[in-house]
Amino acid sequence: GESVGLHLPTLSVQEGDNSIINCAYSNSASDYFIWYKQESGKGPQFIIDIRSNMDKRQGQRVTVLLNKTVKHLSLQIAATQPGDSAVYFCAETDSANTGNQFYFGTGTSLTVIP
Amino acid sequence: GAVVSQHPSRVICKSGTSVKIECRSLDFQATTMFWYRQFPKQSLMLMATSNEGSKATYEQGVEKDKFLINHASLTLSTLTVTSAHPEDSSFYICSARDYRDTEAFFGQGTRLTVV
Repeated sequence: GESVGLHLPTLSVQEGDNSIINCAYSNSASDYFIWYKQESGKGPQFIIDIRSNMDKRQGQRVTVLLNKTVKHLSLQIAATQPGDSAVYFCAETDSANTGNQFYFGTGTSLTVIP
Repeated sequence: GAVVSQHPSRVICKSGTSVKIECRSLDFQATTMFWYRQFPKQSLMLMATSNEGSKATYEQGVEKDKFLINHASLTLSTLTVTSAHPEDSSFYICSARDYRDTEAFFGQGTRLTVV
């Protein structure tokens, strides 16, 4: 596989502050990336995606930044809310690969303090 | 977004028995489905990729005879954990992809406990 996570970093933020979650990917051929949110006992939920021909994409309260030079993604959450508490994963895929598999990064556990 | 239904959500089985997990795409045709395994506080690890009507492609280190995958139709893939052992206890998650779409949609996961 690609990036394999054995540890789960944690991030705690105060409600209302901005959160930044980082992800390093390993496959330089990856050209499509997705950020997922996973709540306890549930499957991943799509948040936002970005293609490699972009370096920034904005959604509602979320922004994804892509730095292909250093193979780094970040997810910025504005005005973080208690409902944002979850584990966040980045996933990468090489869409030119016929399998189109998504490989997941390590993940970050976000805790929002009321 | 599209809906992927996974069943059962929880299952407890005795060591040595087999367990089947179903993954259905409810409102789209999934030409490709993926099976992941997730241990507590860890990331999702891709086990295999299945394409409708053909054999699944397994990731390195995943035993294909132990984790049988059948993608018999464009809306259904099944994962059978054969001769389950306690170390197979994990959270199994399926994902489905429409050939027209680049996004992958995930099921709600199955918590397997082998006792």
